[in-house]
Amino acid sequence: EDQVTQSPEALRLQEGESSSLNCSYTVSGLRGLFWYRQDPGKGPEFLFTLYSAGEEKEKERLKATLTKKESFLHITAPKPEDSATYLCAVQARTDKLIFGTGTRLQVFP
Amino acid sequence: DAGVIQSPRHEVTEMGQEVTLRCKPISGHDYLFWYRQTMMRGLELLIYFNNNVPIDDSGMPEDRFSAKMPNASFSTLKIQPSEPRDSAVYFCASSSRLGTYNEQFFGPGTRLTVL
Repeated sequence: EDQVTQSPEALRLQEGESSSLNCSYTVSGLRGLFWYRQDPGKGPEFLFTLYSAGEEKEKERLKATLTKKESFLHITAPKPEDSATYLCAVQARTDKLIFGTGTRLQVFP
Repeated sequence: DAGVIQSPRHEVTEMGQEVTLRCKPISGHDYLFWYRQTMMRGLELLIYFNNNVPIDDSGMPEDRFSAKMPNASFSTLKIQPSEPRDSAVYFCASSSRLGTYNEQFFGPGTRLTVL
């Protein structure tokens, strides 16, 4: 069965304190791994898609990387506005995405 | 573009009542997805459509749930009869193979409370 596990469930960081979020997956035939950001009371907002091991993508203070078993979302020098829940999802053989339960990130000034 | 539009944003109803959630996807998108999000189970796919045709409804929890897409610009998710355990936030998302492959754009969600 295709599965996505995110860790940690929650993360508290001081502003400027870099860290990483983990997304490990078990899927037959990965077609893509997706990272989304979700703010309270809103729908998930797309951040990145990664397609193959070794691929990296960056956006402002965020960098996503992919291996054959997991993906990391690195946050460099975070700011309070980076506080949100970060969701990871995988796409296998069909068009549907399987989501993890997310990491709730809080960045304090 | 206005993005994915969902209505209502909040719905409070009593157990046993019929609930209808509505979604307007982004114009030109040929995929539409319905999700349910709860604290316990996270974001779960209920059903998705391609070119208005249901492709996979394996996530629909029971026969009380039904979804339709009569045209490319409108979809409904109906719960009849509703139960307290249906309380959740329901999201609609759309995507297009012509853009970033399967990047899904989510609506703001409908928060459903069944008393």
